[in-house]
Amino acid sequence: GDSVTQMEGPVTLSEEAFLTINCTYTATGYPSLFWYVQYPGEGLQLLLKATKADDKGSNKGFEATYRKETTSFHLEKGSVQVSDSAVYFCALGGGSEKLVFGKGTKLTVNP
Amino acid sequence: DTAVSQTPKYLVTQMGNDKSIKCEQNLGHDTMYWYKQDSKKFLKIMFSYNNKELIINETVPNRFSPKSPDKAHLNLHINSLELGDSAVYFCASSQAGATYEQYFGPGTRLTVT
Repeated sequence: GDSVTQMEGPVTLSEEAFLTINCTYTATGYPSLFWYVQYPGEGLQLLLKATKADDKGSNKGFEATYRKETTSFHLEKGSVQVSDSAVYFCALGGGSEKLVFGKGTKLTVNP
Repeated sequence: DTAVSQTPKYLVTQMGNDKSIKCEQNLGHDTMYWYKQDSKKFLKIMFSYNNKELIINETVPNRFSPKSPDKAHLNLHINSLELGDSAVYFCASSQAGATYEQYFGPGTRLTVT
């Protein structure tokens, strides 16, 4: 079945550092890919999405490119802020009417 | 003007009790979901309803019963609570044609003692 694998956390960075969170997927067909973010004590929010190969999703300085050849959707940000501290979830929508989530990666950004 | 709301936010109860969690969305969405998030943050879908009809029913104990009185509400009733039911439960909704762009509620932290 469909699955998503994220790099294990936690990830701790200093403010203004570069962020990469790796995500790879296994799916039949051509899924849509998503990054959701969960701030402390809150529900998940959609951060960005990509619906086909080579699409780049972007929002709030975060980017991820749908790479079909490597089945990846890595999340990047050039300069993180303390307010980016959260848990980040990679997810896949493959046509089964349900999102398949990765296990989440906790990011802590220190001032 | 909260988009997806859940009550209560915290629920502490003893083993064997029956409890309910309520969810309401004011986004006009057709589909609503219940997720369970364990202590390691792993998120697992439990149920989804589309226009009051059950669409997804994952392998969860039948002590869990969702009820959707209308398309804006999806409640979760849990019978005979067990220690392993302790988790954060999230309600979510999505509109037709955008199944995977889901809006989540703030969560209900259930603690069974």
